[in-house]
Amino acid sequence: AQSVTQLGSHVSVSEGALVLLRCNYSSSVPPYLFWYVQYPNQGLQLLLKYTSAATLVKGINGFEAEFKKSETSFHLTKPSAHMSDAAEYFCAVSFYGNNRLAFGKGNQVVVIP
Amino acid sequence: GAGVSQTPSNKVTEKGKYVELRCDPISGHTALYWYRQSLGQGPEFLIYFQGTGAADDSGLPNDRFFAVRPEGSVSTLKIQRTERGDSAVYLCASSLMPGGETEAFFGQGTRLTVV
Repeated sequence: AQSVTQLGSHVSVSEGALVLLRCNYSSSVPPYLFWYVQYPNQGLQLLLKYTSAATLVKGINGFEAEFKKSETSFHLTKPSAHMSDAAEYFCAVSFYGNNRLAFGKGNQVVVIP
Repeated sequence: GAGVSQTPSNKVTEKGKYVELRCDPISGHTALYWYRQSLGQGPEFLIYFQGTGAADDSGLPNDRFFAVRPEGSVSTLKIQRTERGDSAVYLCASSLMPGGETEAFFGQGTRLTVV
C-alpha cells in the first residue's frame, strides 16, 4: 500500500544546530514529494517540492531536501536552526496517477535558545 | 493577491446538527481540495474538484459528508447529523491546474467542534 512515514512527532533542536526531519514513502513508482510548514494560527505553506528534476531541492528559509530513490526518502534539512523555525512540518506525497496529497503525521519542531 | 479563504474560522455545533463550511479558492484556480486534520495527525484527503465536478470523492468518510462547487469557484462542504468524531480542522486548498506536481495553496482552515 502507498504510505508516507514521518517518525518522531516532536523534535527539539538547539538554535544554530542542524535540523533534520525524515520522510519515507512507500511506492514502486517515484512520486511527487513536498514539504509543507505550518506556523501557529496559519495555513500550510509550501517549503519545497520534488517533481523529477534535480534530486537536491532548495526551498525557502534555507531549507533543502534530497530525493533518494533507492531509500524511498525525502529528508528535510537546514544547517542552522533559527528560533523562527519553530513550527509543524509535514511531508506530503502525490502518488502516481493521483491528484491528491497524502500527508505524514507531521513533526513539531521546538528550537531551544 | 488574496489567498484561499475559509469561513467560518471556528464553528461549534451540537451533536446531530447540520453544518456548512465554505471555501473561496484563489481566483482562476481550477482544482479545489478538501482535507480534514484531526489532532496530532496530518491532513487527510476528503474530496477533489476539477471545475464544477467532483473528480475524486474517495476520501469522504460516509454519506453524511457532501461537497459542492456549483460554479467552479466557491465550494461548500456539508456535514449532516454531526458526530463528536467529526471534530477536526477542515482545510481547503486550490491549485492552478490539476496534476500531482502542481503546488496546492491552503487556507487557514475551519475548526469544527461538535459538542
